Amino acid sequence: DAGVTQSPTHLIKTRGQQVTLRCSPISGHKSVSWYQQVLGQGPQFIFQYYEKEERGRGNFPDRFSARQFPNYSSELNVNALLLGDSALYLCASSQGGIFGELFFGEGSRLTVL
Amino acid sequence: EDQVTQSPEALRLQEGESSSLNCSYTVSGLRGLFWYRQDPGKGPEFLFTLYSAGEEKEKERLKATLTKKESFLHITAPKPEDSATYLCAVQAGGYQKVTFGTGTKLQVIP
Repeated sequence: DAGVTQSPTHLIKTRGQQVTLRCSPISGHKSVSWYQQVLGQGPQFIFQYYEKEERGRGNFPDRFSARQFPNYSSELNVNALLLGDSALYLCASSQGGIFGELFFGEGSRLTVL
Repeated sequence: EDQVTQSPEALRLQEGESSSLNCSYTVSGLRGLFWYRQDPGKGPEFLFTLYSAGEEKEKERLKATLTKKESFLHITAPKPEDSATYLCAVQAGGYQKVTFGTGTKLQVIP
């Protein structure tokens, strides 16, 4: 079975631009979460979506938004990019909406210049 | 606020030299504690879930244990392919927010 897939794998943007990252969960998984990982740190929770509804949000500004589609895939949008947004953005899927092991994709490496 | 502290930050072992990684946590209403392995430039790979104090899980050369305040990841006779960053994480509350530590970077020298 295919694991969690993310696209694009790498991208470079300039300050002020907008970016959209995409994620396809493992087949049968209905929950998708997004995490930001800065170099040398652990992943930080951004959002969780379950059954197309936002179930949780971390301490990130309103420039960050996400949505989940009927096929359970998800998009993360970041507007007005700042240099500090440079990071590895990880998508994770799980079967349940409240609790369960997270299975991560390879991530999207965003560089903001 | 949930907190996870991992030590040491980095660990260098000779092949075959056993050791332990520590994860101390502060959380209200622990639902589960997770261990992940992360290779450079990759997403974290799930290893174990521990639910309650006293629980132990094993996988090949790795063994995870849990107390009310800490978890340990014991590595027995490590091999160079065990080199990676090991992340500890906790989940509490009513949704799937997982709080990660900063990880222990393990290097196993042949």
